[in-house]
Amino acid sequence: SYVLTQPPSVSVAPGQTATISCGGNNLGDKTVHWYQQRPGRTPVLVVYDDSDRPSGIPERFSGSNSGNTATLAISRVEAGDEADYYCLVWDGNGDLWVFGGGTKLTVL
Amino acid sequence: QVQLQESGPGLVKSSETLSLTCTVSGGSISIYYWNWIRQSPGKGLEWIGYIFYTGSTNHNPSLKSRVTVSVDTSKNQFSLELRSVTVADTAVYYCARAPYGGASFDDWGQGTLVTVSS
Repeated sequence: SYVLTQPPSVSVAPGQTATISCGGNNLGDKTVHWYQQRPGRTPVLVVYDDSDRPSGIPERFSGSNSGNTATLAISRVEAGDEADYYCLVWDGNGDLWVFGGGTKLTVL
Repeated sequence: QVQLQESGPGLVKSSETLSLTCTVSGGSISIYYWNWIRQSPGKGLEWIGYIFYTGSTNHNPSLKSRVTVSVDTSKNQFSLELRSVTVADTAVYYCARAPYGGASFDDWGQGTLVTVSS
């Protein structure tokens, strides 16, 4: 089945830009969604359809997807952005959803 | 805004069947994909399976054939059965809605912790 690979952790200083990658075979041919999950909380959608933001999500969150890698970028990182981030795709071959393993974002 | 609420036993014995129900309020259970997702303690999100309002289903191959997802449109509910559970099935179980195959999960329940005891 389809596999998505994320780095376990990413660290960034406040005010800098954090980039979180999500890798998969020909991932650019699929549509990627990104979730933020703070400890003990339900996941929150921060980017859908590769690069769109739900209402209420700051413009600091952006997404891109090309080749074998999708990227979630968070600019002007704040302490409140510290959370786990997950990518999600639909595997059309199996008609099922697949999550990446998740990336823990630490704000230094 | 649709709301989803999981319900079911918080403790299940090993080798038995885990059964959960998700009640949908504020909208019809028709048309959408209704999903179960879980998260073991300290681990990542794992998609379990879905049911489409027509009754078609699919599940994560890693769970083999232990999963059944069903829907009761008259009650605006859908359910999960996970058979032959082990301690590895201890997790927070979420129900979630997606408008179509390939879409994001736009609405989630708050999640319910199910512990499997040995």
